[in-house]
Amino acid sequence: EVQLVESGGSLVQPGESLRLSCAASGFTFSSYWIHWVRQAPGKGLEWVANINQDGSVKYYVDSVKGRFTISRDNAKNSLYLQMNSLRAEDTAVYYCARGESYAVFYWGQGALVTVSS
Amino acid sequence: QSALTQPPSASGSPGQSVTISCTGTNSDVGGYNYVSWYQQHPGKAPKLMIYEVTKRPSGVPDRFSGSKSGNTASLTVSGLQAEDEANYYCCSYGGSSNLILIFGGGTKLTVL
Repeated sequence: EVQLVESGGSLVQPGESLRLSCAASGFTFSSYWIHWVRQAPGKGLEWVANINQDGSVKYYVDSVKGRFTISRDNAKNSLYLQMNSLRAEDTAVYYCARGESYAVFYWGQGALVTVSS
Repeated sequence: QSALTQPPSASGSPGQSVTISCTGTNSDVGGYNYVSWYQQHPGKAPKLMIYEVTKRPSGVPDRFSGSKSGNTASLTVSGLQAEDEANYYCCSYGGSSNLILIFGGGTKLTVL
């Protein structure tokens, strides 16, 4: 069974940093692109970033470029999102998601990040 | 690049059919056959219902179907059931813009 389990969500102040993790199991992690997708409270889905199978190619939505860094450790079947200089508008549930054919076939349960003073 | 355009709401009675539209541009929906649809119940993670415009993942009922014409994609739910009440999001590959996945704003489907 494919499982994606996010962790690391928390309440932080504006300008602070936070690192999200995603533990994958039930599939060959190193064979797939993986995405981070977020959803602000009461709002729609927003793609944030993705990373290719060996971590050599990464893409980001413009609003997080230069502040967020996506990475992966295939030996640990893990995905990460380092978030720096956090803003109130980054408040959201962050989903780790397995990509295939430019769609998301599997989603984690999400990790809540709240940026507030 | 802007989000794809979906109607905020749609509704139908049990057993009826309802179609949800998703409008983009030549650079996303119209340019590639990489449109997907997601169902999300309150407090839950999204679930893939349709990918590559018309394909259904294993386990998704054939009451759900997808199509595309020009820059507009559509999701049709036939034989509406109470459990189909949820938010539905379309998504398209963003192509050369480097915005890899572009989501629509979502449509709240109500089963009357």
